[in-house]
Amino acid sequence: NAGVTQTPKFRVLKTGQSMTLLCAQDMNHEYMYWYRQDPGMGLRLIHYSVGEGTTAKGEVPDGYNVSRLKKQNFLLGLESAAPSQTSVYFCASSSFGTGSQPQHFGDGTRLSIL
Amino acid sequence: GQQVMQIPQYQHVQEGEDFTTYCNSSTTLSNIQWYKQRPGGHPVFLIQLVKSGEVKKQKRLTFQFGEAKKNSSLHITATQTTDVGTYFCAANDRGSTLGRLYFGRGTQLTVWP
Repeated sequence: NAGVTQTPKFRVLKTGQSMTLLCAQDMNHEYMYWYRQDPGMGLRLIHYSVGEGTTAKGEVPDGYNVSRLKKQNFLLGLESAAPSQTSVYFCASSSFGTGSQPQHFGDGTRLSIL
Repeated sequence: GQQVMQIPQYQHVQEGEDFTTYCNSSTTLSNIQWYKQRPGGHPVFLIQLVKSGEVKKQKRLTFQFGEAKKNSSLHITATQTTDVGTYFCAANDRGSTLGRLYFGRGTQLTVWP
C-alpha cells in the first residue's frame, strides 16, 4: 500500500518551460489537493478536486492548471514556468465523510525554476 | 476566506523543556486538525478535535480545542530531540467546502540536546 505517490521528486526547469507533476493515490479517496510550501508561508492550496472530473481553485491558482481524469490521479501543470514557482509541491488526498477527514500527503516534489 | 493564525513561528527549547503552539481563528470552526512535518519530510496527520472544550492526549502531546471552537493548542511535555519539526494546525470552518482545510503557517520547533 503506497498511499500517495508523487513524481518526479526533484526537477529543475528553465523559465518558460512547461511540465506536469503527477500525483497518484491508491486509497480510493474522493478528494485530492495540490499545495505549495515556501519558507515561512506554510501550506498554500493551489487547486483541489472533490471527485473524478472535477477541479476547483484554491488560494494560489494562478499559473497552474490541474486535471482529474481518473479518481486515483491528480495532475498539476505549469504551462510557462516562472522563478516565483520555485517551491516544494505536495499532493494530498482524503476520504469523503462528515466534516473533514485527515489528509494524506505525498513526499513532495522539489521544483527549481532558473 | 478562512484564516487560521498560528503562533509562535519559531520556538527553540532545550531538551526536557515544555513546548506549546497556539492556533486562533476569528470564526467558529467545525473541527481542527494537527499535523507534524519533520525536516525534509511531508506533513503527517496527528489528531483531529471536533467537540467544544475537547482535550486529547497522545503520550507527551496534549491537544485542546477551545470552548468557543475558535482556538486550539498543542502542548508537548518534556520535549525530546525526536519532537523536532514543524507543527501545523488546519481547520475547516462551518459552511466551507467539505474536505478543504485552511492551514496555519506552522510553528518550527528546534530542540537542543
